[in-house]
Amino acid sequence: QVHLVQSGAEVKEPGSSVKLSCKSSGGAFNSLAFSWVRQAPGQGLEWMGGIIPMLGTTSYTQNFQGTVNITADESTSTTYMELSGLRAEDTAIYYCVYDNSGYLKSWGQGSLVTVSS
Amino acid sequence: DIVMTQSPDSLAVSLGERATINCKSSQTILFDSNDKNYLAWYQQKPGQPPKLLIYWASTRDSGVPDRFSGSGSGTDFTLTISSLQGEDVAVYYCQQYYNTPYTFGQGTKLEIK
Repeated sequence: QVHLVQSGAEVKEPGSSVKLSCKSSGGAFNSLAFSWVRQAPGQGLEWMGGIIPMLGTTSYTQNFQGTVNITADESTSTTYMELSGLRAEDTAIYYCVYDNSGYLKSWGQGSLVTVSS
Repeated sequence: DIVMTQSPDSLAVSLGERATINCKSSQTILFDSNDKNYLAWYQQKPGQPPKLLIYWASTRDSGVPDRFSGSGSGTDFTLTISSLQGEDVAVYYCQQYYNTPYTFGQGTKLEIK
């Protein structure tokens, strides 16, 4: 069973960047795929993008092209999501998820990012 | 992008009664070559991350009670809870993974009547 533990809450100023981490255990990291999903307060779920560490490939939704960068470090079984140019509308919970051929099998606990001056 | 539309937005059902949530995709999410529907259902309780309930439209994830079932094909899908329990109060989302970007329905809030 893949278990994901995410980094803690962040408070950021508008225009800055945030980099969240997600450490995986319980599975062969390099054979897995991961997605990042965000949820604004009181809102629904939005897929941001994903990574397949073994292939080194990433995919992003158009909304986040150019502002999101998803990476992976096999040596620490950790994936990262960096979001730049933060705006107040980016205030949300960001989830790291084990992506099993498209369905999102295991979810991290979420990382709250608050963008405020 | 494939648009996923759920109905209703909210639903109140008595304990022990059946709850039905619908999900419609803007294009087919049935892949002809393997005859699989690329649709999943999730349950999200307050303050918790979503939890996978069903994938391939009708396969329950491990540990999911059998009162939860998924059906449908092509563009129209249904999540059914056969006998509502108190712990089923949550928001339910459908998601297509036929192609990227993966997209979710807007969610259906399920409450006890």
